[in-house]
Amino acid sequence: DIVMTQSPDSLAVSLGERATINCKSSQNVLYSSDNRNYLGWYQQKPGQPPKLLIYWASTRESGVPDRFSGSGSGTDFTLTISSLQAEDVAIYYCQQSYSSPSTFGQGTKLEIK
Amino acid sequence: QVQLVQSGAEVKKPGASVKISCKASGYTFNNYYIHWVRQAPGQGLEWMGRFNPTGDSTRYAQKFQGRATMTRDTSTSTVNMELSSLTSGDTAVYYCARDRGTGAVFDYWGQGVLVTVSS
Repeated sequence: DIVMTQSPDSLAVSLGERATINCKSSQNVLYSSDNRNYLGWYQQKPGQPPKLLIYWASTRESGVPDRFSGSGSGTDFTLTISSLQAEDVAIYYCQQSYSSPSTFGQGTKLEIK
Repeated sequence: QVQLVQSGAEVKKPGASVKISCKASGYTFNNYYIHWVRQAPGQGLEWMGRFNPTGDSTRYAQKFQGRATMTRDTSTSTVNMELSSLTSGDTAVYYCARDRGTGAVFDYWGQGVLVTVSS
């Protein structure tokens, strides 16, 4: 199975500042036939199911604010929130869907400093 | 609007089975895979498997092979997931989620069902 490792485990950022979360996969998740990275990012708030933010590593899901962006390729990926808002407090997960079983990172808890 | 509505919370004894339902609406049921993901209390997300409503094909994570069974009721656009031989380690919130169709990421999720396994 592909192991997804996120860093840091927790992060405190001031309102309006940039937040950066990293995700590293134990194997490449770039599919050569379509040149897409099968990597998604989710946001989960307490008591709620996860919400899809980003797929194919950098494509923002419809309705997701443009302060959220994804980057990276191969095995190293980043989720960036350009200007942190209070409503962004949550746990963030990366997920690889390159190979079965799909696997998630352990989560990064984002708080306000 | 797309909705996935799951059945209610369950309390089961060790060794028992649980069956959870996920009723889809607001889209063409046969056109999207349904996945199951669980989350133990205070823990991360664990993919269990997926179901193709067209043709009933399934794929399970090795960990759940032989213990999880996914089925459908097309007349009600419902996918069911049954998990047998429960242990306390199966205590978790179980989510169904729709495959976006762009490589097994999940764009709509059910509200989750808490399954508690306790003697």
